[in-house]
Amino acid sequence: GNSVTQMEGPVTLSEEAFLTINCTYTATGYPSLFWYVQYPGEGLQLLLKATKADDKGSNKGFEATYRKETTSFHLEKGSVQVSDSAVYFCALSDSWRDDKIIFGKGTRLHILP
Amino acid sequence: DGGITQSPKYLFRKEGQNVTLSCEQNLNHDAMYWYRQDPGQGLRLIYYSQIVNDFQKGDIAEGYSVSREKKESFPLTVTSAQKNPTAFYLCASSIKWQLGGRKETQYFGPGTRLLVL
Repeated sequence: GNSVTQMEGPVTLSEEAFLTINCTYTATGYPSLFWYVQYPGEGLQLLLKATKADDKGSNKGFEATYRKETTSFHLEKGSVQVSDSAVYFCALSDSWRDDKIIFGKGTRLHILP
Repeated sequence: DGGITQSPKYLFRKEGQNVTLSCEQNLNHDAMYWYRQDPGQGLRLIYYSQIVNDFQKGDIAEGYSVSREKKESFPLTVTSAQKNPTAFYLCASSIKWQLGGRKETQYFGPGTRLLVL
């Protein structure tokens, strides 16, 4: 079945460090891929998405490229800030008929000033 | 402003009691979803609805019930049969179909934290 695997946290970095959160997926079709962010006590917000191979999603300095050959969608940011501290979820949607989205378990990110 | 609202923000349940969590959206979305989030875990799908008066069980539907009488509303009832209801509950919605049949993004409400007394 379809699944998403992302690196376990927590990830702790200093401000202005480079960030990578790994995400790999298994899917039978041609999925759309998403990164969502959850700030403490809040719901999830869409951070970025990509709908086909080689697409790059980007938002707020974050980027992720849809790599079909490695079935990956790693999240990167060149210089993190304290305000980026949150939980990040990788997700995919696959079927053309099924509206369900499959989420990874989330990666907690702590940025130290 | 368009969006999804959930109420209440915190909810307390006594033993043997049913409680209902509210979810309303004014985005004109067809599809709505309920997820449960436990500490250190990802989101697990409880129920989803693709259209008014229709809904399907997700991965962990036991002990929960839903209704979809109106497009904008998708309330979740946590029944007394749910033995471990303490969790953070998230409601989401999405346009059912995008041109070409590709998936549309899900938009989330702020969540309701349910605690057992």
